[in-house]
Amino acid sequence: EDQVTQSPEALRLQEGESSSLNCSYTVSGLRGLFWYRQDPGKGPEFLFTLYSAGEEKEKERLKATLTKKESFLHITAPKPEDSATYLCAVQARLYNFNKFYFGSGTKLNVKP
Amino acid sequence: NAGVMQNPRHLVRRRGQEARLRCSPMKGHSHVYWYRQLPEEGLKFMVYLQKENIIDESGMPKERFSAEFPKEGPSILRIQQVVRGDSAAYFCASSPRDRDYGYTFGSGTRLTVV
Repeated sequence: EDQVTQSPEALRLQEGESSSLNCSYTVSGLRGLFWYRQDPGKGPEFLFTLYSAGEEKEKERLKATLTKKESFLHITAPKPEDSATYLCAVQARLYNFNKFYFGSGTKLNVKP
Repeated sequence: NAGVMQNPRHLVRRRGQEARLRCSPMKGHSHVYWYRQLPEEGLKFMVYLQKENIIDESGMPKERFSAEFPKEGPSILRIQQVVRGDSAAYFCASSPRDRDYGYTFGSGTRLTVV
């Protein structure tokens, strides 16, 4: 069964304390892995797309990496404004169209 | 260049009433997706539509829920005879091609059933 699992469910960091969020997946026909950021009361905001193992993408303090079974979102020297829920989604090919599977997210809280 | 527009932002309905949620995709996007998010949970896929066609409704409850994306106008998610368990945030997303390049999400409609 196709599945996307994110860990940890919640993460508390001090400002400046670097860490990583994990997204592991078991899907067949992977076409891409996406990271989103969601602030309370808002819709998810697109961050990155990764298409193949070994690929990396960076944006400010965030860096996403991809292997054949998982993706990591590394947060370097986080700031309080990085506090949000980070969602991972996997795009897989099903029959003749694509399907997205979302993880349950990691809720990040960065304290000043 | 407006993003995905959803309205209303908040909707309160009494049990048994109907809820209509509207979604206007980004300009140039002809693929629309509806997701439901319960408090402290992830996004659950409901339905995928193109203009005048339902492509994948595998996430839609069999009863009371329906969706459409007419040739003209916004996509509509309709919930008949709402129950308390329907209370959730409903998000719409759009893309220019078949679930490609990720999605652009709207800000959601928060449905509260009292």
